[in-house]
Amino acid sequence: DAGVIQSPRHEVTEMGQEVTLRCKPISGHNSLFWYRQTMMRGLELLIYFNNNVPIDDSGMPEDRFSAKMPNASFSTLKIQPSEPRDSAVYFCASSPGRGWEQYFGPGTRLTVT
Amino acid sequence: RKEVEQDPGPFNVPEGATVAFNCTYSNSASQSFFWYRQDCRKEPKLLMSVYSSGNEDGRFTAQLNRASQYISLLIRDSKLSDSATYLCVVNQGGKLIFGQGTELSVKP
Repeated sequence: DAGVIQSPRHEVTEMGQEVTLRCKPISGHNSLFWYRQTMMRGLELLIYFNNNVPIDDSGMPEDRFSAKMPNASFSTLKIQPSEPRDSAVYFCASSPGRGWEQYFGPGTRLTVT
Repeated sequence: RKEVEQDPGPFNVPEGATVAFNCTYSNSASQSFFWYRQDCRKEPKLLMSVYSSGNEDGRFTAQLNRASQYISLLIRDSKLSDSATYLCVVNQGGKLIFGQGTELSVKP
């Protein structure tokens, strides 16, 4: 069975550039989550969707970050403009429903120089 | 106070040892609980859910004490392959709150 799919797996970009991260959740899962992980701050929830609707975006750091889920099988996280402090691993996870266990994708390792 | 707090690590144990991880959570309304495992440079993976009555999966036993807001994970007969970071996770209102994790290193 296909798990959560994320692309790209690695992204190196220069400060000021736009970055788009992509996620395909597990088929049939109703909830999708975007996380960021750094050594200093651990795993942080950025935003989550339920049935394609954003439910809580209180973890989104600032207006430079935006996320969309146009349909049940695709979501994007965009950073514009990117800054060096955005360097982290970004994980997407999906779940059969709110509060259920979550299944993580392999992550996108972002480096902003 | 952090919403989910775990034992500081790292834990360095010999193969075959029994090791226990503890976790406390601050919100008494938390609804469900999990342990995840994360290997270096990999994604977190679900290890087991934690039920009120306690549950066991092979060498792994999870316990929940709602009154004390405390969760534990016991690993018996530890293997080299158990080396990883173990994350305590609490469901609050549909969101999973992750602890900082405890690193375990099992040595031959």
